[in-house]
Amino acid sequence: GDSVTQMQGQVTLSEDDFLFINCTYSTTWYPTLFWYVQYPGEGPQLLLKVTTANNKGISRGFEATYDKGTTSFHLQKASVQESDSAVYYCVLGDLYNQGKLIFGQGTKLSIKP
Amino acid sequence: DTTVKQNPRYKLARVGKPVNLICSQTMNHDTMYWYQKKPNQAPKLLLFYYDKILNREADTFEKFQSSRPNNSFCSLYIGSAGLEYSAMYLCASSRKGGNYAEQFFGPGTRLTVL
Repeated sequence: GDSVTQMQGQVTLSEDDFLFINCTYSTTWYPTLFWYVQYPGEGPQLLLKVTTANNKGISRGFEATYDKGTTSFHLQKASVQESDSAVYYCVLGDLYNQGKLIFGQGTKLSIKP
Repeated sequence: DTTVKQNPRYKLARVGKPVNLICSQTMNHDTMYWYQKKPNQAPKLLLFYYDKILNREADTFEKFQSSRPNNSFCSLYIGSAGLEYSAMYLCASSRKGGNYAEQFFGPGTRLTVL
């Protein structure tokens, strides 16, 4: 079945470090891919969306692209801040099936001040 | 207001007893979703309402019920709670068309079954 996998369960960085989170996906259709972010005490919220392979999604200093050839999708940020501490979910969107989302396991990002 | 509200935030239930969780949104979204989130696992879609039509995932079909009395409210009902139901339950809503598939999530209800 369709799936998305995030191997990095936890990432710890210092402020101003470079962030790179990778995920892989498996699907039989042309996906739209999302990154959702969940801050403590809140529900997940959309960070950015990428609808076409090799195009870039950009939001709040974060960038994401996906590669159809390697079926991988990554999120990066040049310089993280303490306020970026959160859980980041890679999400596969089935826009032709009433908007169903398939979530990865999430990557918990902790930033040391 | 892009807020999705969930009540209660924390719920303690006894094994074998029913549980009813409530979600509301005032964005006039036509679709509302319920997810189950357990530690170290991905949020898992349980069911969703598109307008008045309920769609339940095949592997949780018999475990959860839901109702949507109007556009703004949606409930998740467990008839007889088991220990395996302990989890965070997330409600979300979305609007078809436009920036479709963006889902707005509530803060969740943490259910503990003892």
